This record gives sequence, C-alpha cells and structure tokens, in this order.
Amino acid sequence: DTGVSQNPRHKITKRGQNVTFRCDPISEHNRLYWYRQTLGQGPEFLTYFQNEAQLEKSRLLSDRFSAERPKGSFSTLEIQRTEQGDSAMYLCASSRGQGGPAKNIQYFGAGTRLSVL
Amino acid sequence: TQLLEQSPQFLSIQEGENLTVYCNSSSVFSSLQWYRQEPGEGPVLLVTVVTGGEVKKLKRLTFQFGDARKDSSLHITAAQPGDTGLYLCAGSNFGNEKLTFGTGTRLTIIP
Repeated sequence: DTGVSQNPRHKITKRGQNVTFRCDPISEHNRLYWYRQTLGQGPEFLTYFQNEAQLEKSRLLSDRFSAERPKGSFSTLEIQRTEQGDSAMYLCASSRGQGGPAKNIQYFGAGTRLSVL
Repeated sequence: TQLLEQSPQFLSIQEGENLTVYCNSSSVFSSLQWYRQEPGEGPVLLVTVVTGGEVKKLKRLTFQFGDARKDSSLHITAAQPGDTGLYLCAGSNFGNEKLTFGTGTRLTIIP
C-alpha cells in the first residue's frame, strides 16, 4: 500500500494553456475523488468516480474541467484554457467503497499545486 | 447547501496549554471526520464519529459529536509543537460519500 499518488506536485502555467493532473489511488480502492483547495480554505468537492463511472460533478466543475478514470484505476483531471482563478491545490482521495465500516474512509494524496500566471 | 463553520479560524497558544476547536453546521451529517493538514500536503484523517453524542480519544486529542449530529468539537490537552497544523472537520452523508469540509482552524503551538 503506497498511498494515493499525485503528479505533478507543482505546475506553473500561463493563462490560456491546458494542464492535466494524474492521480493514482490506493490499489483496489473503488472510489476516487477530486477536491480543490484555495489558500486558507478547506477543500471543496469537485467530482467522484465509482470504478470508471463518474457519479457526481460539482457546480464548481465548469465545462473547462474534465475528469476521467478510464480503466477504474488512475484518474486524470484536465483544465482547458486555464484562468488565474484556477490557481489552487488540487487534491485526490480514494476509498474502498465496499466491505466494512471503514469502506468510506478517504485517504488523500499530497496534491498538485497549480499556479496560473 | 450544507456548510460547516469552524472556530476559531486562527489559534496561537503556548506549549502545555489546552484548547478546543469547534465545528458547527445547521445541517445534520451521518458522520463527521477530523483531519490535520501540514503545509504542502494532503489532509490526514484523525478520527471519524458517527453516533450522536459519541466521544473518541486519540492520546491527548478528544473528539465529540453533538447529540443532534450537527456539530463537533476537538479538544487538545497539553498542546505540543507537533500539534501545529491546519485542522479540518468534514461531514458526509450515507449514500453520498463526498466530504463537505469546514473552513479550517490554523493552530500554532509556541514552544
């Protein structure tokens, strides 16, 4: 169990560019979540997957954002035409999603910090 | 929209003192979690409480879930510099396991 892994840890981009982040969940975790955290605030939910199915998307996830989990393992979060307001820490979490009282405990990765110049 | 408000937002105290952080909502949650987050890292789970009135202890940390499952508190006894960090409460509901996070309490323990 290597924990939730996110890459890259830091990303600096110019406004208008596209960026993609990757999240590798804990192996055999069925659920995968994306959150966004701005400075001084708690994380805000963006979207989550049960295996490869995207089950819920927040209103925060504009049409410039897209998330995929094609084989039910790793996930990618893409932001198109980045804006300065997209600057934040993007956090990924995973949970077992089945079997026992601990099934919904979410384990977080270290995050990807995005800076849009 | 369910909201969780934490107080205080910032707290700076001397090593050895006691402190309490509060997490309040007007909504009911099925369960509530407390996380601690270090700068540049993701939140790390401290505890989950699911029953109204439940009290859990983790060494010098005591967590309580309100009877109505709308609020929670975190009490730290004899604070140590290693307790420094951002403390986040987060609520969730059965059947919709996304977390709604509180506004956070940034705690600094001065040696």
